[in-house]
Amino acid sequence: KAGVTQTPRYLIKTRGQQVTLSCSPISGHRSVSWYQQTPGQGLQFLFEYFSETQRNKGNFPGRFSGRQFSNSRSEMNVSTLELGDSALYLCASSLVGIGYEQYFGPGTRLTVT
Amino acid sequence: AQTVTQSQPEMSVQEAETVTLSCTYDTSESDYYLFWYKQPPSRQMILVIRQEAYKQQNATENRFSVNFQKAAKSFSLKISDSQLGDAAMYFCAYRRGKLGANSKLTFGKGITLSVRP
Repeated sequence: KAGVTQTPRYLIKTRGQQVTLSCSPISGHRSVSWYQQTPGQGLQFLFEYFSETQRNKGNFPGRFSGRQFSNSRSEMNVSTLELGDSALYLCASSLVGIGYEQYFGPGTRLTVT
Repeated sequence: AQTVTQSQPEMSVQEAETVTLSCTYDTSESDYYLFWYKQPPSRQMILVIRQEAYKQQNATENRFSVNFQKAAKSFSLKISDSQLGDAAMYFCAYRRGKLGANSKLTFGKGITLSVRP
């Protein structure tokens, strides 16, 4: 079974631009979560989607948004990029239910200049 | 809110030896799950082991085992017969266990493990 895939793997953007990252979950997984990883803040939860609905959201500004499609694929969007948005963005998918573990994709490395 | 603390930023172990990585957490809930994830230089997060809070028996996966002390809110990872491929960053993570709860993982800051040949 194919793992979680994320595209693109690397991205360089300029301050003020916007960016869209994509995540395809493992087949059969309907929950998709996004995390931001930086050296200073570590791994922080952005949001989770299930059945095309945002189920939970972390403490990030409204510039960070996401969506999920009917095939469970998910995208996250960051508008008006800031230098501090430079990070590794990780997507994770899981089955829905108590205690199912999350499986992570390889991440998208975003650099904002 | 739940918190996860990994107080040791770095550890080193000799190949073939045993090492224990520490993790403590704070929660007021009784149902939850704990995980250890490994992140090698490739940055791919890999699940190492999981522990259900309601289980008294410590989880084991080959060379990896945990020491789960629920009353002390401690969850350490023991790696036996360390191999060069074990060198990575290790994250301890917490997830609520309530029915209907979301999948959010709360991570510790991580421990960088190096393995000496």
